[in-house]
Amino acid sequence: QQQVKQSPQSLIVQKGGIPIINCAYENTAFDYFPWYQQFPGKGPALLIAIRPDVSEKKEGRFTISFNKSAKQFSLHIMDSQPGDSATYFCAARGKLIFGQGTELSVKP
Amino acid sequence: DTGVSQNPRHKITKRGQNVTFRCDPISEHNRLYWYRQTLGQGPEFLTYFQNEAQLEKSRLLSDRFSAERPKGSFSTLEIQRTEQGDSAMYLCTGTPNTGELFFGEGSRLTVL
Repeated sequence: QQQVKQSPQSLIVQKGGIPIINCAYENTAFDYFPWYQQFPGKGPALLIAIRPDVSEKKEGRFTISFNKSAKQFSLHIMDSQPGDSATYFCAARGKLIFGQGTELSVKP
Repeated sequence: DTGVSQNPRHKITKRGQNVTFRCDPISEHNRLYWYRQTLGQGPEFLTYFQNEAQLEKSRLLSDRFSAERPKGSFSTLEIQRTEQGDSAMYLCTGTPNTGELFFGEGSRLTVL
């Protein structure tokens, strides 16, 4: 019940494409769902987060879609750029349980 | 810049030695978490503090690991008798009452 399952493990898109990363959780008590972006050698940086009372949240080119009944949420990156190439982690609170990560490569 | 600093950034040690990492969050971060991250994996929870009280420890935290936050400000994570399996990035986060986790840059441990 404490797991967060993330897919795909890696993703390659062309510049301007819209990568979509998916996460599924089990514990219905989770009340906070952030996405983190991590570059090599750096700590994860909070990108965007959502609470289960809304179904979508947009911040710039990043959008979280949340499906409470399916216990799933996803990250969409609009107009992706090579600078978006990083590893992305979804997470869920209580003490933040992380997914396994998705390595995104955006080709110019 | 999240305001969370960790030292040292990289530590190379021989198996069996003790190492200590330090985390300095900003003053508004009443909660402090330690995570461990190995290559290709997401961060794994180790322990967390609410002010100076250590409220939860993961079973990943063997008796060779000890964490303290003596005055509710900075925290230390000590690993005794290091093993090669301890090689990882040790991440610290500060958390204000709103719940967001702000990570430091991490301390990378290499055990030879």
